[in-house]
Amino acid sequence: AQKITQTQPGMFVQEKEAVTLDCTYDTSDPSYGLFWYKQPSSGEMIFLIYQGSYDQQNATEGRYSLNFQKARKSANLVISASQLGDSAMYFCAMREDFTGNQFYFGTGTSLTVIP
Amino acid sequence: EAGVVQSPRYKIIEKKQPVAFWCNPISGHNTLYWYRQNLGQGPELLIRYENEEAVDDSQLPKDRFSAERLKGVDSTLKIQPAELGDSAVYLCASSLDGGLNTEAFFGQGTRLTVV
Repeated sequence: AQKITQTQPGMFVQEKEAVTLDCTYDTSDPSYGLFWYKQPSSGEMIFLIYQGSYDQQNATEGRYSLNFQKARKSANLVISASQLGDSAMYFCAMREDFTGNQFYFGTGTSLTVIP
Repeated sequence: EAGVVQSPRYKIIEKKQPVAFWCNPISGHNTLYWYRQNLGQGPELLIRYENEEAVDDSQLPKDRFSAERLKGVDSTLKIQPAELGDSAVYLCASSLDGGLNTEAFFGQGTRLTVV
C-alpha cells in the first residue's frame, strides 16, 4: 500500500488566492513526521513545513500552513495569498520510527499560479 | 552556508556504460541519502548513510549500483552497467541526523539519460 497519497496531479489557482493541496498517509506507527517539499523546475527539493504526529496544533510557516487531521490521516498543505513563484511541484512526505526514519514521498501535485 | 552540491547536473550515456554521481552534503550533516526520481513520480530512497555506514540499502539494486561515503562526508553513487530504465534524476540529500523531525536538504540532482 502507498504510504503517501496525493490525488491531485495538477492544480490551478489565481494569484493572491488560497489553495489547498491534499495529502493522505498510511502508517500504524504512532510516532511519525509529515513534511511538505516544493520542487521548482530547477529540480531542488525545498523544505516548506513539518508536522509531528504528537503536535497538538497545526504547523504554520509564513504563508504555508498544514491542516493536520490525525483521525483521517490527512495532512493537507494550505498556501495563502498565492504568488507566481509558487508555481512548482509539491510533494508530501512522511518519516516513521518503524522504518528507520527514511522519507516516503507521494507522487506530487503540480501547482500553477495564474496571473 | 553552502547547500548540498551534486555533480554533474546532466549526464547522457549509452547503455552498458558506467556512470558516477558525486555529492557533497552540508557541512556537519551526519545523514546522507541518495534518491532516484522517475519522471512524474516522487523520490524513492536508494541508500541512506549515517556517517560512513550504510544503514539502509535495501532498495539499492546491488547487481549494478554501488555507493560509498568515505570519511563520512562526500559520497559517490555508481551504476555499472547502465540500463535504459536507469534514466531518472538522482537526488542527494543530507540532514543533521536521522531524527524523526529533522528535515532533509536536497541538492539539485543529476539528470541521467541512458540512450
